[in-house]
Amino acid sequence: EIVLTQSPATLSLSPGERATLSCRASQSVSSYLAWYQQKPGQAPRLLIYDASNRATGIPARFSGSGSGTDFTLTISSLEPEDFAVYYCQQRSNSRLFTFGPGTKVDIK
Amino acid sequence: QVQLVESGGGLVKPGGSLRLSCAASGFTFSDYYMSWIRQAPGKGLEWVSYISSSSSYTNYADSVKGRFTISRDNAKNSLYLQMNSLRAEDTAVYYCARVLRYSSSWPLDYWGQGTLVTVSS
Repeated sequence: EIVLTQSPATLSLSPGERATLSCRASQSVSSYLAWYQQKPGQAPRLLIYDASNRATGIPARFSGSGSGTDFTLTISSLEPEDFAVYYCQQRSNSRLFTFGPGTKVDIK
Repeated sequence: QVQLVESGGGLVKPGGSLRLSCAASGFTFSDYYMSWIRQAPGKGLEWVSYISSSSSYTNYADSVKGRFTISRDNAKNSLYLQMNSLRAEDTAVYYCARVLRYSSSWPLDYWGQGTLVTVSS
């Protein structure tokens, strides 16, 4: 089973700052990685798929990069609505899904 | 617009059963794989199961294999999750989501609002 590790667990930043979130896989997942945003009381929202493709309607300040075992979600300049929990998710070659434990981005 | 609406959650005793439903609209349901994902109170996301567009293929997380069964009715645009032998650790909000299988990561591009399942005596 592939395990995803996200760091940091919590990121405290101010609006306008750059956020860099990491997701590491226990073995290569190629580019089979997606990122989601979840706000309290809401369902998750797809941000990035195939490691670097923005989903429909996602602002350009969100970008994804990486391949193999190391991936990064970058928010270039935090807006007030970006303070949330972010999860990475992979799809293995055996067609199983796993999620990372999440990174909470909160207001400093 | 795409809509997914879950129902069927509630309070059930350990060892009991529950059937969740997800009503889909705004897209051609029979063209898409569908999935269930859960989230225990205050915890992260856990993938539960998915089913192929024609029901020919299913897959489950180890934590629910042998206890949960995913199914669908394309004529009714509905997805189901039959949950048997429920345990306290199955307590969670259960989400249904659409799978974008044409993308290599199989992202979950639309999610319902979830239905809460509580397993307690």
